[in-house]
Amino acid sequence: QQQVKQSPQSLIVQKGGISIINCAYENTAFDYFPWYQQFPGKGPALLIAIRPDVSEKKEGRFTISFNKSAKQFSLHIMDSQPGDSATYFCAPREETSGSRLTFGEGTQLTVNP
Amino acid sequence: GAVVSQHPSWVICKSGTSVKIECRSLDFQATTMFWYRQFPKQSLMLMATSNEGSKATYEQGVEKDKFLINHASLTLSTLTVTSAHPEDSSFYICSPRGGAAEQYFGPGTRLTVT
Repeated sequence: QQQVKQSPQSLIVQKGGISIINCAYENTAFDYFPWYQQFPGKGPALLIAIRPDVSEKKEGRFTISFNKSAKQFSLHIMDSQPGDSATYFCAPREETSGSRLTFGEGTQLTVNP
Repeated sequence: GAVVSQHPSWVICKSGTSVKIECRSLDFQATTMFWYRQFPKQSLMLMATSNEGSKATYEQGVEKDKFLINHASLTLSTLTVTSAHPEDSSFYICSPRGGAAEQYFGPGTRLTVT
């Protein structure tokens, strides 16, 4: 069974601070590394994703870093805002498994005003 | 992003009854549909995967006769929870995928079985 370990389980940061969430995986066949954002009572939504041919991708305040040798990727939220308070999931995917996402346990982020 | 709808968004039913949840991809054709279940404070758990016109493939531990999935068209899939029990109370989320890499998620359906 695929193993995806996400940390921390919960995170509290002050407004304007940097939020960092990590994801470690075991399956070296994963070829798509997304982060999803989920608000209470809603379905997840893609936040940012990276493929293994690059080591970093930035979209606005959100950056995803990928370390292939360490089998880890992380989400960095710069200038964190109270509206970023949500649960974040990493969910790497292996194309040969029929594009099945393997969800991490989730990180509940709280950004205090 | 793509538009995905689920209906109903919230349903309460009595134990022993059946509930049908609809998932529609409004602006793209979903060749593959994933159905997830999420308990409070937990991650998403894949229940089954279906391709349009084919029988669904269920994950280990998911009863196929209890959770009936129909994916008869490229824009509509349904999940029917048969003979629902309180332990089936959960948040059910559909996730259609078209021909491209992206997999989208519906807004979810909150099922409460009393």
